[in-house]
Amino acid sequence: EVQLVESGGGLVQPGGSLRLSCAASGFTFSSYWMSWVRQAPGKGLEWVANIKQDGSEKYYVDSVKGRFTISRDNAKNSLYLQMNSLRAEDTAVYYCAGSPVRGVIIYWGQGTLVTVSS
Amino acid sequence: NFMLTQPHSVSESPGKTVTISCTRSSGSIASNYVQWYQQRPGSAPTTVIYEDNQRPSGVPDRFSGSIDSSSNSASLTISGLKTEDEADYYCQSYDSSNWVFGGGTKLTVL
Repeated sequence: EVQLVESGGGLVQPGGSLRLSCAASGFTFSSYWMSWVRQAPGKGLEWVANIKQDGSEKYYVDSVKGRFTISRDNAKNSLYLQMNSLRAEDTAVYYCAGSPVRGVIIYWGQGTLVTVSS
Repeated sequence: NFMLTQPHSVSESPGKTVTISCTRSSGSIASNYVQWYQQRPGSAPTTVIYEDNQRPSGVPDRFSGSIDSSSNSASLTISGLKTEDEADYYCQSYDSSNWVFGGGTKLTVL
């Protein structure tokens, strides 16, 4: 059974940092593009970032460039999102997602809530 | 960057067929695959269609996807509607550096 389990969410003050993790199992993690997708309260889905199988390519939505960093550890079947200089508008549920080919999400995690507030 | 535009909401009766559209603002709809995701209230999204018209295992064949180059749009069709199909549906595609989601369509089955 495929599982993507996010962790690391919580309440953080504006300007603060947070590191999200995603533990993958049930599929060959190293063969998949991996992504973070977020959903602000009551809003739609927004792609945040993704990373190629070997980590050689990384892409970000404009609103997080320079503040967020996506990374992966294939030996640990884990995906990460380092979030710095957090803003209120970053408040959202963050989903981890897996893609067998670029652009095509097949697997979704259950999400972790990030709240940026003073 | 391009945008994907969906109707805000659609409604239909159980047993009927509904189609949700997704129009690409620039660039060809056929140039990159379109995916469709279902999100029931309080739950994470799940994939119901990928690569324009493919169904993941476990998704019933009541769900189908297509693209239309003449209107530069993609469509998700759900036949034999069930109350359990009531959810938000999002289309998604990509280009060389961005992944884009449509704004979502709320399907009401009444």
